[in-house]
Amino acid sequence: TQLLEQSPQFLSIQEGENLTVYCNSSSVFSSLQWYRQEPGEGPVLLVTVVTGGEVKKLKRLTFQFGDARKDSSLHITAAQPGDTGLYLCAGLTGGGNKLTFGTGTQLKVEL
Amino acid sequence: GAVVSQHPSRVICKSGTSVKIECRSLDFQATTMFWYRQFPKQSLMLMATSNEGSKATYEQGVEKDKFLINHASLTLSTLTVTSAHPEDSSFYICSARDLRQGVYGYTFGSGTRLTVV
Repeated sequence: TQLLEQSPQFLSIQEGENLTVYCNSSSVFSSLQWYRQEPGEGPVLLVTVVTGGEVKKLKRLTFQFGDARKDSSLHITAAQPGDTGLYLCAGLTGGGNKLTFGTGTQLKVEL
Repeated sequence: GAVVSQHPSRVICKSGTSVKIECRSLDFQATTMFWYRQFPKQSLMLMATSNEGSKATYEQGVEKDKFLINHASLTLSTLTVTSAHPEDSSFYICSARDLRQGVYGYTFGSGTRLTVV
């Protein structure tokens, strides 16, 4: 069973602060995705990273895929209340079509 | 973009009854759909992979006789929770992959909140 551990599990910060969420596994993934989920809704895809060492930016969000494709990080700069939500990483193994979701990070950004 | 519609969004049923949840791909065809279960403040756990025209593939520990999956067309998969009990109360989410967006094009429905009383 491939496990994706996310840290921290919960994070409560003030508006304007920076934060990093980590997603770690002992397994190698062919690609890794990050999703954000709001209460009562399905997850919404933020980004897909495919190449080891790849860095992608989405406005104030920066995503990195580890060189060995076993881990990833999400960095948010100058967090805003609208960033509040459950952040989930999800990995896809080579040749498979099933996403394995991480344990999740609940982020709350307060004014 | 790809849209996956899930219905109903909320349902309350009595113990012992069955509930059907529908998952539709609105603007694309999906030979494979996925069903997840999510408990409060936890991540998504894959229950089964729904395959059009064939039997679903269930994850270890998921009772296939309790969670019946039917994928009769390229745009519709249904999950029926049979003989529901309070412990089946959960948030159920489906997803489908739109291959027009490449192999990474997973789209999720908005979920169904099931409460068994």
